[in-house]
Amino acid sequence: AQSVAQPEDQVNVAEGNPLTVKCTYSVSGNPYLFWYVQYPNRGLQFLLKYITGDNLVKGSYGFEAEFNKSQTSFHLKKPSALVSDSALYFCALSGGYNKLIFGAGTRLAVHP
Amino acid sequence: NAGVMQNPRHLVRRRGQEARLRCSPMKGHSHVYWYRQLPEEGLKFMVYLQKENIIDESGMPKERFSAEFPKEGPSILRIQQVVRGDSAAYFCASSPRGQGIYEQYFGPGTRLTVT
Repeated sequence: AQSVAQPEDQVNVAEGNPLTVKCTYSVSGNPYLFWYVQYPNRGLQFLLKYITGDNLVKGSYGFEAEFNKSQTSFHLKKPSALVSDSALYFCALSGGYNKLIFGAGTRLAVHP
Repeated sequence: NAGVMQNPRHLVRRRGQEARLRCSPMKGHSHVYWYRQLPEEGLKFMVYLQKENIIDESGMPKERFSAEFPKEGPSILRIQQVVRGDSAAYFCASSPRGQGIYEQYFGPGTRLTVT
């Protein structure tokens, strides 16, 4: 069965420090993986995706993600966190008929 | 380039009433997806439509819920005889192609409250 897990409900980071939001997946075949961010009372904004190629994917707002096939992980990273990065982050897997299978979400809190 | 539009943004219905949620995809997108987000939960897929066709409705509850994407006009998600458990945020997304490599663009959502 296809699934996505985000093991942390919340991640707390000090502004200026690097951040990592974890995601693992389960799928048969090649994974198509996505990261989205959701601000309060807003829709989801696309950050980046992994389809094939380089394991390090760069996206919007300085975010990047590292795909690791052996560990079935797709962790989201940023070298230096901003207070404005505080939001809810979702990892997603493209499933059959293109539907997105989402993780439960990780709330990122960046403290000044 | 206008994004995905959804209306209304907020909808309040009494138990037993009908709710109609509308979604206009991004210009040039003919693939529409509906997702539901319950409080403090992730998004769950409901249905995938192309113009005049339902491609995958595996996430739709068997009763009371229906969706359409007519040749002209927005996609509609219809919930008949709403119950309190239907209270959630309903998000529409669109993509330019029907392949999994394309990211989906989301609308702002419709927040349904059933009283």
